[in-house]
Amino acid sequence: DGGITQSPKYLFRKEGQNVTLSCEQNLNHDAMYWYRQDPGQGLRLIYYSQIVNDFQKGDIAEGYSVSREKKESFPLTVTSAQKNPTAFYLCASSNDKEGGNSPLHFGNGTRLTVT
Amino acid sequence: ILNVEQSPQSLHVQEGDSTNFTCSFPSSNFYALHWYRWETAKSPEALFVMTLNGDEKKKGRISATLNTKEGYSYLYIKGSQPEDSATYLCARPAGGTSYGKLTFGQGTILTVHP
Repeated sequence: DGGITQSPKYLFRKEGQNVTLSCEQNLNHDAMYWYRQDPGQGLRLIYYSQIVNDFQKGDIAEGYSVSREKKESFPLTVTSAQKNPTAFYLCASSNDKEGGNSPLHFGNGTRLTVT
Repeated sequence: ILNVEQSPQSLHVQEGDSTNFTCSFPSSNFYALHWYRWETAKSPEALFVMTLNGDEKKKGRISATLNTKEGYSYLYIKGSQPEDSATYLCARPAGGTSYGKLTFGQGTILTVHP
C-alpha cells in the first residue's frame, strides 16, 4: 500500500543536540510538508517542498533545516537553535500539480522530547 | 500568515444528534479550502477539498458548504456516532505561487457520547 512513513514514532534527545526526523513517501507525490503541533494550537507549517531540490520556509522555520534530494524523502533536522523543540511533528505529501487543490496525505507523526 | 479560525473549539454531543461547526478564513486570493478529520492515534485524513463559491460536498453523513465571498465554510455531521469523535481541521492554501503553503485552523474537537 502506498503511504507516508515517519520514523521514529518517539524520539528523545538532550538539549543542544541536533536530531533528524525521517519522512518517506511512495505515493509519487511532488509536494512534501513538515508541520508541528503543540497543545492547544493548530498545525503550523515548518517547511514545504513543491519539487525535488527546492524547498520553502513555512511560518516557523527558524531552528529547522530540510533537504529534498529525492522525490520520496524529505528529512527534517531540528537544530540546537530551535528554542522549544519538544512537539509532535507531522510530515505530509500531496500530488499538487493543481496548486492547492490536492488533499494532503499525512504520516503517523514523530513525538520529539528534548530534555 | 493567513488567519484561519475554527469554532467552537470543542463540542460534546449525544449519539444521534446532528451538529455543525465553522471555519473562517480570509476571502482575498482564495484558491481552495480543505477539511480534515484527525482521530486519536491516527493520521489526519482528508475529507473535502472545496474550491467553488456555493460548493457543497458530501461524504456519508458528513457534508460541507463553502462561501468564498464572505470567507467561511460549515461542516455538518448528521446523526453523530461515537466513531465521529475526532478533531476536525480546516486549512487554506496561500494561493499564487505559494499554493503549497497551507495554514490550518486550531481545530474543533468533537466528542460523541453513546
